[in-house]
Amino acid sequence: DIGMTQSPLSLPVTPGEAASISCRSSQSLLHSNGYNCLEWFLQKPGQSPQLLIYMGSNRASGVPDRFSGSGSGTDFTLKISRVEAEDVGVYYCMQALQTPYTFGQGTKLEIK
Amino acid sequence: QVQLQESGPRVVRPSETLSLSCIVSGGSISGYYWSWIRQPPGEALEWIAYISSSGSYIYNPSVESRVSISVDTSRNQFSLKVKSLTAADTAVYFCAREVRRPDGSGSYYGFLDYWGRGILVTVSS
Repeated sequence: DIGMTQSPLSLPVTPGEAASISCRSSQSLLHSNGYNCLEWFLQKPGQSPQLLIYMGSNRASGVPDRFSGSGSGTDFTLKISRVEAEDVGVYYCMQALQTPYTFGQGTKLEIK
Repeated sequence: QVQLQESGPRVVRPSETLSLSCIVSGGSISGYYWSWIRQPPGEALEWIAYISSSGSYIYNPSVESRVSISVDTSRNQFSLKVKSLTAADTAVYFCAREVRRPDGSGSYYGFLDYWGRGILVTVSS
């Protein structure tokens, strides 16, 4: 299985400030066709996960442009340019290069 | 708007079999892949299995010997069975849709775009 490691696990942020979450995989997620099979999800309290980013850097429909994904191979980053109160929750990365799909441990973002 | 709704028992006894269904509304089940994912209380997400609308499937080896997944296109729903339950199977079970799009080179890229609200299943005597 491909291991996924996120950091930090807890992220207190002041509204309006930027935030960054790292995700590292135990093997490259770069598909032979040149795209990365890495997704980012946000699970708000009491809700199911919602897709934020796919293919490493593509924002899903309806996702605000303050969210951006970057990286390639084994190192990926999710950035929030200006954190808002509604961004609280747990952020997960997930690899979809091969089955079984695997998730990171999650990063809990909270407002200071 | 596509919606997914899980249904099934909330409490199941150890050693018994759990049967869950996911009803898809607002769109067709055809042409997509459908996954089950679970989340033990306070823990991270674990992908269990997926099935295509045509019936091809893949299981997570960690549970492969105990699970089976099926799809019923006439009822626009898919299902999961987990046998020989233990307390470790206590979790919120989510169903989710995976859309796959051709990448122009004969392959595809995909992502999980819709999830159900989840159902908490507790294994307890």
